[in-house]
Amino acid sequence: DIQMTQSPSILAASVGDRVTITCRASQSVSGWLAWYQMKPGKAPILLISKASNLESGVPSRFSGSGSGTEFTLTISSLQPDDFATYCCQQYSVYSPTFGQGTRVDIK
Amino acid sequence: QVQLVEFGGGLVKPGGSLRLSCAASGFTFSDYYMTWIRQAPGKGLEWVSYISGSATTTHYADSVKGRFAISRDNAKNSLYLQMNSLRGEDTAVYYCAKVVPHQAGYYDVWGQGTTVTVSS
Repeated sequence: DIQMTQSPSILAASVGDRVTITCRASQSVSGWLAWYQMKPGKAPILLISKASNLESGVPSRFSGSGSGTEFTLTISSLQPDDFATYCCQQYSVYSPTFGQGTRVDIK
Repeated sequence: QVQLVEFGGGLVKPGGSLRLSCAASGFTFSDYYMTWIRQAPGKGLEWVSYISGSATTTHYADSVKGRFAISRDNAKNSLYLQMNSLRGEDTAVYYCAKVVPHQAGYYDVWGQGTTVTVSS
């Protein structure tokens, strides 16, 4: 299986900060990468597919980039609703695999 | 409104069985592959199983193969996961999700999850 590694595991930031989360794959996944936002007790939300395609209804402050083995999720100006855990997923090959998550906390 | 709602989780003893259900609404359920994904306490997400729209194709993670069975009833817009021979490591929040069938698939609609605890 392809291993997905996110960094950092926890990130403390303030409202208005620019936040960047990195996801690295153990082998190339081309651009077949998705990002999700997760909050306890709520349904996870798909933010980005194909590494950089913003899903309908997702605020434009979210953006994704990268290809091959290194990807980033950027939140340009952190908002109160953005304090959550973010998770990457490769869907290049079976089995689809996920990063361990990055929790964004209030500083 | 597109929605998935899971239920059926609970506390079960090791070696026991449990059946999870997922009720779908707001989309043509039979048109889509569906999947189960889980998250153990303190761990990342783990894909568990998928099933095709017609239920003719299924696939399982090695960790559950031979113990879990995915199924669906398109007339009831429902997805199921029969879990047998449960182990402590199966303790997790279980999510159902709708699959976008690009490459190995990603997931554009999720439920809120149902918690399974395997403990004596």
